Amino acid sequence: GQQLNQSPQSMFIQEGEDVSMNCTSSSIFNTWLWYKQDPGEGPVLLIALYKAGELTSNGRLTAQFGITRKDSFLNISASIPSDVGIYFCAGRGIQGAQKLVFGQGTRLTINP
Amino acid sequence: DAGVIQSPRHEVTEMGQEVTLRCKPISGHNSLFWYRQTMMRGLELLIYFNNNVPIDDSGMPEDRFSAKMPNASFSTLKIQPSEPRDSAVYFCASSQEYSNQPQHFGDGTRLSIL
Repeated sequence: GQQLNQSPQSMFIQEGEDVSMNCTSSSIFNTWLWYKQDPGEGPVLLIALYKAGELTSNGRLTAQFGITRKDSFLNISASIPSDVGIYFCAGRGIQGAQKLVFGQGTRLTINP
Repeated sequence: DAGVIQSPRHEVTEMGQEVTLRCKPISGHNSLFWYRQTMMRGLELLIYFNNNVPIDDSGMPEDRFSAKMPNASFSTLKIQPSEPRDSAVYFCASSQEYSNQPQHFGDGTRLSIL
């Protein structure tokens, strides 16, 4: 089945630094979603991408849908303590259009 | 607006017992998804419904797992009998039916089977 490779698995950064994470796949996706999960809570949608090449921002977050439709990245600028959490990419492929495939997650830790 | 509501938030029970997890989707959403999250396997889709009808249950691990959606505002995931390896966080998510609509998650039920 379709799989997503998300990297890095974890990041340890200083407050104020920029963050970049990405997801890649061997197959084409029609939609890319980025979620954030805080401890004890469910994933919360951050950004949704629907077109190849699309670049979308949400405050300090920026995400892009790769032109090949096989990858996506998420950038966080000027990180703050509340950015701590686990970030997941999710893709929706051509087959089984409603089903999402999730990456393994990137755990972000910020040193104040 | 109320999000996806799951209950209970935590469940601890002994193996062999029946476990029922509940979900109320966002009003107006007619697709509902059940996921399981573990450290080893991450987020796995178990089953999803469109307009109360199960569409794909290929992720349901065994016959011990069953899910129902008797109406548009309620779904259950049942495990009978439960086993320690079923311990995980179970999430419910909902979306509008159109394929490009994102899924919105509840806060999950943390299940521990002793």
